[in-house]
Amino acid sequence: SQQGEEDPQALSIQEGENATMNCSYKTSINNLQWYRQNSGRGLVHLILIRSNEREKHSGRLRVTLDTSKKSSSLLITASRAADTASYFCATDGEAAGNKLTFGGGTRVLVKP
Amino acid sequence: DSGVTQTPKHLITATGQRVTLRCSPRSGDLSVYWYQQSLDQGLQFLIQYYNGEERAKGNILERFSAQQFPDLHSELNLSSLELGDSALYFCASSIEVPDTQYFGPGTRLTVL
Repeated sequence: SQQGEEDPQALSIQEGENATMNCSYKTSINNLQWYRQNSGRGLVHLILIRSNEREKHSGRLRVTLDTSKKSSSLLITASRAADTASYFCATDGEAAGNKLTFGGGTRVLVKP
Repeated sequence: DSGVTQTPKHLITATGQRVTLRCSPRSGDLSVYWYQQSLDQGLQFLIQYYNGEERAKGNILERFSAQQFPDLHSELNLSSLELGDSALYFCASSIEVPDTQYFGPGTRLTVL
């Protein structure tokens, strides 16, 4: 079963708008990561946030982590057509034997 | 380019056959992971090796097996193939466990 569940499953926005997606997980974690996957290609690591961090930025990406709610959000600001992809959260923690467990992903479509 | 290579890129075979997928991790990475991605099951963790030894097992069928060789490359063997085994198979590598994973481009397996 998947540890992380992304919400929404799909998102369609106009270029220039912000895109926000959420990830909820069930058991305590050490780290949470976000990955991007373009159609049919390998996943690309975007950002890692540790359980003792609350917010992290990388370029146009902003990730928040709320361990009390067991949730994280990924915000992509000023989206571009090239941001069209699926976005996955992945968690690791002792309950999963420190394996990385991926959620089902959010499909983002950025319309030009 | 993540530095992880996978061969072949595409594989078409028949039910009942056996295939071998190959993965070369990034230089210096000791850990190799195998994932299966299908439309209905999402990204499923199969198995992980660390420096030649099996470290963790996920939803890997008994018909599937893997190994990591002394030069750290890994092979995933799929036997008695069924139509439902058609999927993208990804290999990923990392330095430590758990850590950021770097994904290869994948092997698309089609079982006819």
